[in-house]
Amino acid sequence: ETGVTQTPRHLVMGMTNKKSLKCEQHLGHNAMYWYKQSAKKPLELMFVYSLEERVENNSVPSRFSPECPNSSHLFLHLHTLQPEDSALYLCASSEVPGMTNYGYTFGSGTRLTVV
Amino acid sequence: AQKITQTQPGMFVQEKEAVTLDCTYDTSDQSYGLFWYKQPSSGEMIFLIYQGSYDEQNATEGRYSLNFQKARKSANLVISASQLGDSAMYFCAMREPYSGAGSYQLTFGKGTKLSVIP
Repeated sequence: ETGVTQTPRHLVMGMTNKKSLKCEQHLGHNAMYWYKQSAKKPLELMFVYSLEERVENNSVPSRFSPECPNSSHLFLHLHTLQPEDSALYLCASSEVPGMTNYGYTFGSGTRLTVV
Repeated sequence: AQKITQTQPGMFVQEKEAVTLDCTYDTSDQSYGLFWYKQPSSGEMIFLIYQGSYDEQNATEGRYSLNFQKARKSANLVISASQLGDSAMYFCAMREPYSGAGSYQLTFGKGTKLSVIP
């Protein structure tokens, strides 16, 4: 399997639930990212992992908890979310600039609805 | 801080016609990269074209070309011979200079929704 794969594609969860989003890449990239895409807003960078270490956390509420167990997998653990957290969550990966100029490779996203 | 502005929330184009999607950027860096991505209704962000700040020639990829005007800080996407499958959201993005940390950030604009009319 190639590219970046995100599961599930769709998720509906209650505010008291705990769920996890999964992202997997088999491109040999060394950095992975979580973005949130809400309606009519620019993509918001949430977390960045480089070589399995978190290098960026853009003031994301603690109800979102990332995990990067290895360079191919990235998770976003969700608990006690709010309705305003409903959005498309996109995972991306990249290799060191200079190797290619293609920026990120994105997954298809998980469309999350919090009820 | 970097900023990307896409002033066209929505655009319509007749099939087989050319269309230009606008993008302006603001940065104090000398080295940067500019990207365009396409996002169909399925959600996936698809890379279209890249322009480096030091590239002297405008980038082209098939029916896509990037009209790069560095002094004006604009990086407009031109799609020639529009097809029905081009209907999607289009995002302009800028890459910050690489810091050596193994990762880098892309800053995205709000996007333009392109609708191709048969």
